Amino acid sequence: GQQLNQSPQSMFIQEGEDVSMNCTSSSIFNTWLWYKQDPGEGPVLLIALYKAGELTSNGRLTAQFGITRKDSFLNISASIPSDVGIYFCAGRDTGNQFYFGTGTSLTVIP
Amino acid sequence: GAVVSQHPSRVICKSGTSVKIECRSLDFQATTMFWYRQFPKKSLMLMATSNEGSKATYEQGVEKDKFLINHASLTLSTLTVTSAHPEDSSFYICSAADINQPQHFGDGTRLSIL
Repeated sequence: GQQLNQSPQSMFIQEGEDVSMNCTSSSIFNTWLWYKQDPGEGPVLLIALYKAGELTSNGRLTAQFGITRKDSFLNISASIPSDVGIYFCAGRDTGNQFYFGTGTSLTVIP
Repeated sequence: GAVVSQHPSRVICKSGTSVKIECRSLDFQATTMFWYRQFPKKSLMLMATSNEGSKATYEQGVEKDKFLINHASLTLSTLTVTSAHPEDSSFYICSAADINQPQHFGDGTRLSIL
């Protein structure tokens, strides 16, 4: 299927730093989702967003559903080594189709 | 959160063998289940979408006779890789969703064909 435009592709940061990644789409979405995948495992849902402008937190993670409904960002504050992994955004469009971003690989240096 | 169970987690078998992978939605009724293939350090590649009780919709380039999908109930979908060959070796992941649930993923199956 289609791919969302997710950036950055990879990040190398020092432990304690904040992280920001985002996704953009050419179509309007009704739902934005953020997942984290550890090596050899399936993606785990971190945050689900259902309304334009919605800002939702899950611990040190915060995500927002863009006002235009065509973008979303995920922030991680005060990163720790276990934040390492690949983060995927996903969106569901008005036709109920899901699309996934290409992923952001996060490396946290202790 | 919702739980999706995928089994087996790892399969190693000889070329020519058929392999069946099960995906179960444990705590909600999944009207739609998805099957993905993932290559190392790459994003998820959608193979097919299955709705309970109807034939799966395959993505372009995915052979339906090679990757048989059955979605017999609202909680179970299976993917059978028929006559598997080394090039079919990969990480296969299922997910389940319905109108009220975003996609929840299984833990994946690492398939290795010798």
